[in-house]
Amino acid sequence: QQQVKQSPQSLIVQKGGISIINCAYENTAFDYFPWYQQFPGKGPALLIAIRPDVSEKKEGRFTISFNKSAKQFSLHIMDSQPGDSATYFCAASTSGTYKYIFGTGTRLKVLA
Amino acid sequence: EAGVAQSPRYKIIEKRQSVAFWCNPISGHATLYWYQQILGQGPKLLIQFQNNGVVDDSQLPKDRFSAERLKGVDSTLKIQPAKLEDSAVYLCASRVQATNEKLFFGSGTQLSVL
Repeated sequence: QQQVKQSPQSLIVQKGGISIINCAYENTAFDYFPWYQQFPGKGPALLIAIRPDVSEKKEGRFTISFNKSAKQFSLHIMDSQPGDSATYFCAASTSGTYKYIFGTGTRLKVLA
Repeated sequence: EAGVAQSPRYKIIEKRQSVAFWCNPISGHATLYWYQQILGQGPKLLIQFQNNGVVDDSQLPKDRFSAERLKGVDSTLKIQPAKLEDSAVYLCASRVQATNEKLFFGSGTQLSVL
């Protein structure tokens, strides 16, 4: 119940295309859902995050869509660029404990 | 603002040897985490500190792993003795207390156990 399931494992997108990564969770106590971006040799960095009181959050080319009833959330990268090539992790945590559970990651490659 | 500092950057040891990793979080960050990231997997929480107290160490293999955070600032993670399956990147992260939930990660220590 503490798992966060992420798909796909890898993704190849053409420059200018839309990248979509999906995550699902079971624990309804989760109330904070961040996405992290990790480049090789670096630690993960927060990209965007959402709370379950909204269904969508957009920051620039990055959008999180949240479906509370389905217990799913997804990251959409619009107008994908080669510089977006990285590994993306979804995560979930509960207010109070702030114990972050990470997904298994999606390796994104954007072709020039 | 200085980021989370970790050292060493790389470490290669033989199995059954011991190793220690060091982390200096961002100044003022009360919460510190150690994560283990095995190649191709997401970070897995090992231990969470709030100031110098342990909040969660339920996934820390206590027979071989230990961690401390003296004076609520720097932290060290030790493995003794190391096993082949301990080969991974060990990430340190910190967070400002209260309502700020953003985690700041260091670049990690890549451990290879031969």
